[in-house]
Amino acid sequence: EAEVAQSPRYKITEKSQAVAFWCDPISGHATLYWYRQILGQGPELLVQFQDESVVDDSQLPKDRFSAERLKGVDSTLKIQPAELGDSAMYLCASSFAGSPETQYFGPGTRLLVL
Amino acid sequence: AQSVSQHNHHVILSEAASLELGCNYSYGGTVNLFWYVQYPGQHLQLLLKYFSGDPLVKGIKGFEAEFIKSKFSFNLRKPSVQWSDTAEYFCAVNARGSSASKIIFGSGTRLSIRP
Repeated sequence: EAEVAQSPRYKITEKSQAVAFWCDPISGHATLYWYRQILGQGPELLVQFQDESVVDDSQLPKDRFSAERLKGVDSTLKIQPAELGDSAMYLCASSFAGSPETQYFGPGTRLLVL
Repeated sequence: AQSVSQHNHHVILSEAASLELGCNYSYGGTVNLFWYVQYPGQHLQLLLKYFSGDPLVKGIKGFEAEFIKSKFSFNLRKPSVQWSDTAEYFCAVNARGSSASKIIFGSGTRLSIRP
């Protein structure tokens, strides 16, 4: 069964450093989502792509976070500089275009900022 | 704006007990409703969903949920829980009819089952 791939699974960094997370969606899924899940809370959408275009980045802290999906397939989420409050699980999900109600989630990257 | 409330932060039950997890949403329009589950160390996965039709929906592993429109609720139920149901459960909602409509998640309920 096809799955959403994410790497790394775990990342420890010091504040003010740069970090990057990678996501490879299920083949054929045009829509890709990045979520942040803070401990004890539900996932919160950071950015949504339709192919290579950003559809929604209203909750993305753009002063330090950036996301790209240059060829409309895999995607990278970057934080620079990382802050202590960025410690969380970063989840990637994908879906067919026009079907946001059927998203498949990856295993996530757990980030710890020291 | 949509929002989802899960009132139980942590529920502890014994095996074979019945389960009901509360979920209320806030949105003025028509919605799709979901329950997701995250077993320890595993991906977030869909447990069940309601789009339209019969308000009582059945999902995997014996779970069911009932949509009560008048109460803006979508409570999750299981008549007899097992130790393997230990997990975190998330209720979620998205506005129906928009291809760009994002899913809004509740804060989750951690379910612990005593063997």
